[in-house]
Amino acid sequence: DAGITQSPRHKVTETGTPVTLRCHQTENHRYMYWYRQDPGHGLRLIHYSYGVKDTDKGEVSDGYSVSRSKTEDFLLTLESATSSQTSVYFCAIKPPGKTEAFFGQGTRLTVV
Amino acid sequence: TQLLEQSPQFLSIQEGENLTVYCNSSSVFSSLQWYRQEPGEGPVLLVTVVTGGEVKKLKRLTFQFGDARKDSSLHITAAQPGDTGLYLCAGYSGAGSYQLTFGKGTKLSVIP
Repeated sequence: DAGITQSPRHKVTETGTPVTLRCHQTENHRYMYWYRQDPGHGLRLIHYSYGVKDTDKGEVSDGYSVSRSKTEDFLLTLESATSSQTSVYFCAIKPPGKTEAFFGQGTRLTVV
Repeated sequence: TQLLEQSPQFLSIQEGENLTVYCNSSSVFSSLQWYRQEPGEGPVLLVTVVTGGEVKKLKRLTFQFGDARKDSSLHITAAQPGDTGLYLCAGYSGAGSYQLTFGKGTKLSVIP
């Protein structure tokens, strides 16, 4: 178990409301990632972080923001949720000196 | 973003058959990783290949990295129902990059 916890695991929200997903790690790793997974698209990178307050955009960052005020927490915020953001969201961490990533169990978000 | 193309997208075979899944790119990767994902779970690393021409074996799974480090393959011998899942290849985009990019995946079903 890589020590990654995503919360909530499931959420239904209405269009236009703000939503924040949380990723918590117990490993103290620098690198953390947020992905979304949709049928036919695989895993697509939204944002990633390489340290506290150091974040960068991935390939599908529009409509999303992130924050990392502590090493252990990486938050993903949908400022105003849209139906196109209905997806399964995965958080991942990367240990130093290694290439592999370890994933959380995902958050299933439905925007109605 | 360096695109990773996987084929086939779907594969349904009988137990005991052999199969090969491909991961191709027009760009050179310093390493490629293969993950397996089961429904409701995050991807889990199977193997990382680093050297051009490298072959790694994991029981009935054989992974190969192309000589030019632009492609990789996963071969499963005598597939079992327990091999059913989504197989994903992944690599880092560009030298010094920490953006881990995934292919769209191959969904494998092994029928008993």
